[in-house]
Amino acid sequence: QKEVEQNSGPLSVPEGAIASLNCTYSDRGSQSFFWYRQYSGKSPELIMSIYSNGDKEDGRFTAQLNKASQYVSLLIRDSQPSDSATYLCAVPHPRRGSARQLTFGSGTQLTVLP
Amino acid sequence: ETGVTQSPTHLIKTRGQQVTLRCSSQSGHNTVSWYQQALGQGPQFIFQYYREEENGRGNFPPRFSGLQFPNYSSELNVNALELDDSALYLCASRSEGTGELFFGEGSRLTVL
Repeated sequence: QKEVEQNSGPLSVPEGAIASLNCTYSDRGSQSFFWYRQYSGKSPELIMSIYSNGDKEDGRFTAQLNKASQYVSLLIRDSQPSDSATYLCAVPHPRRGSARQLTFGSGTQLTVLP
Repeated sequence: ETGVTQSPTHLIKTRGQQVTLRCSSQSGHNTVSWYQQALGQGPQFIFQYYREEENGRGNFPPRFSGLQFPNYSSELNVNALELDDSALYLCASRSEGTGELFFGEGSRLTVL
């Protein structure tokens, strides 16, 4: 089992719709979770972090965490073509337990269609 | 703009050669990490340096080595290059306050 798993996509949504990106992780002890956005040819950029069960909202982005199910998701409301990118889920490495050493999923490629 | 700069941005090497990639972190960020990102994959942790000492390493062979210098710069060295080493190499510095990782734009290495 991979430590961090994401649906690779690609995921296409029409402009204005809600995009839902999902991630599962294997280590029950994980305490922090990160979503990065990566535009083609660019480096990852942190867009959301979440540490507690429930929802965390930041503008059009909502991160949802369910530690019992080992599941974290990212919702993008009112999707815009500029949201088209690969979204990476990242969790601190279980054996090292440090937020500085992240294990990334393989990413979900999102395309928002005008 | 993350304040993390990497060089070179692109380079081409042949199998068996050696390469050095460089990174300049934000002032005050004492932790720097290096990641390898193959095409279509997420970044994979190579190693991390804190105050010039390696304090964490991923599943990479010893031919991947690094250095960190007092001026917040660092290097990734790869010896005996293999075709599978072709990837985007990302340097990330860590904010001591928030723990957030700031990535540079990466160095894209192609091994022929």
